[in-house]
Amino acid sequence: GAVVSQHPSRVICKSGTSVKIECRSLDFQATTMFWYRQFPKQSLMLMATSNEGSKATYEQGVEKDKFLINHASLTLSTLTVTSAHPEDSSFYICSASSGGDTDTQYFGPGTRLTVL
Amino acid sequence: LAKTTQPISMDSYEGQEVNITCSHNNIATNDYITWYQQFPSQGPRFIIQGYKTKVTNEVASLFIPADRKSSTLSLPRVSLSDTAVYYCLLAWTGGFKTIFGAGTRLFVKA
Repeated sequence: GAVVSQHPSRVICKSGTSVKIECRSLDFQATTMFWYRQFPKQSLMLMATSNEGSKATYEQGVEKDKFLINHASLTLSTLTVTSAHPEDSSFYICSASSGGDTDTQYFGPGTRLTVL
Repeated sequence: LAKTTQPISMDSYEGQEVNITCSHNNIATNDYITWYQQFPSQGPRFIIQGYKTKVTNEVASLFIPADRKSSTLSLPRVSLSDTAVYYCLLAWTGGFKTIFGAGTRLFVKA
């Protein structure tokens, strides 16, 4: 099946710093990539949708200046959490879809962000 | 975005067949039904996707009645490693039509 990777898998940073998370589709070209956040014992919440070469579309309540998304190629999207604070600590998961009628989304393994 | 409806939790024993039903009354013509499995601290894993009738792969079967307002994920012979949360979503070109709900927490006992 289609493989999506994320890097890093785990990151700990100090409050006020910025953290970049990479999402790659390894064996297919992703027309669209999605970023989710999942807090402990809760379900996934969609943060934003990005198409290669276009600006990302953010869900209501997600600050686009805080969560910068760059979808520079058909296999790479990055999420940068700027000026991170402890409340940004969460599990961030990306997914990628190759388009077509079914447009199946394949998820990365996730990145655990801890902000001290 | 709407949400599908699934049981919050289910218990089973190893070797049994498990059927998880999902309701999606507002499914549209272009929507596909997609199921994912998620283990703690991991991203969801794609299990199966279907449009109508029955779909089977090496992991599971998906049964969809003619009106498509519900679907049933069937796991043939579960093992302890199938203990996970299972999500049912409606997908279409451009993303999911439904949000991730709480899913169904399946607990498989020895």
